[in-house]
Amino acid sequence: EAGVTQFPSHSVIEKGQTVTLRCDPISGHDNLYWYRRVMGKEIKFLLHFVKESKQDESGMPNNRFLAERTGGTYSTLKVQPAELEDSGVYFCASSPGTGLYEQYFGPGTRLTVT
Amino acid sequence: AQSVAQPEDQVNVAEGNPLTVKCTYSVSGNPYLFWYVQYPNRGLQFLLKYITGDNLVKGSYGFEAEFNKSQTSFHLKKPSALVSDSALYFCAVRDSNSGGYQKVTFGTGTKLQVIP
Repeated sequence: EAGVTQFPSHSVIEKGQTVTLRCDPISGHDNLYWYRRVMGKEIKFLLHFVKESKQDESGMPNNRFLAERTGGTYSTLKVQPAELEDSGVYFCASSPGTGLYEQYFGPGTRLTVT
Repeated sequence: AQSVAQPEDQVNVAEGNPLTVKCTYSVSGNPYLFWYVQYPNRGLQFLLKYITGDNLVKGSYGFEAEFNKSQTSFHLKKPSALVSDSALYFCAVRDSNSGGYQKVTFGTGTKLQVIP
């Protein structure tokens, strides 16, 4: 069974540019999550999809961040325009159901904004 | 609101010795507790979880964790550390009172260094 994949693994962009991160969850997992870890700090929740619907987007920092999951399969997270404080590692996770399931994480995308 | 604290940024232990990585939590309802491990250049891997039942939970790679409700703790333990256990460990919690929301709150992580 293929795990959660994320693309790209690393992105370096200049302040003001746009970046789109992609996450492919484990096949059949309806639940998809985005998290972010800024250097040395905790992993912070960004949002949660159930299929193509946003169940909880309370962790999205501001309107420069836009997440989509068209068709309920892969998801994208766009940052436009990027700011220096957006630098960090963005993790995607998926789970087969809600409730008590653990989440399966991808390797993360390291975003560096210069 | 739910929260997790990992009081140690780094834990050093000699190979073969027992190890403990500490975690305390705060929730309004009952806690669902998780431990994840991150090896260099890899994503987080699930180690174990506590939902209900026996306070001692066994997980992958010989790790176990003890749920202590009175101390609101969920410390990760292993009887004999291996050099290959060196990694970043994250404790996480979800509040049973979070309604339909599945948000998991993570700690800041503890770097475990096992010394040969």
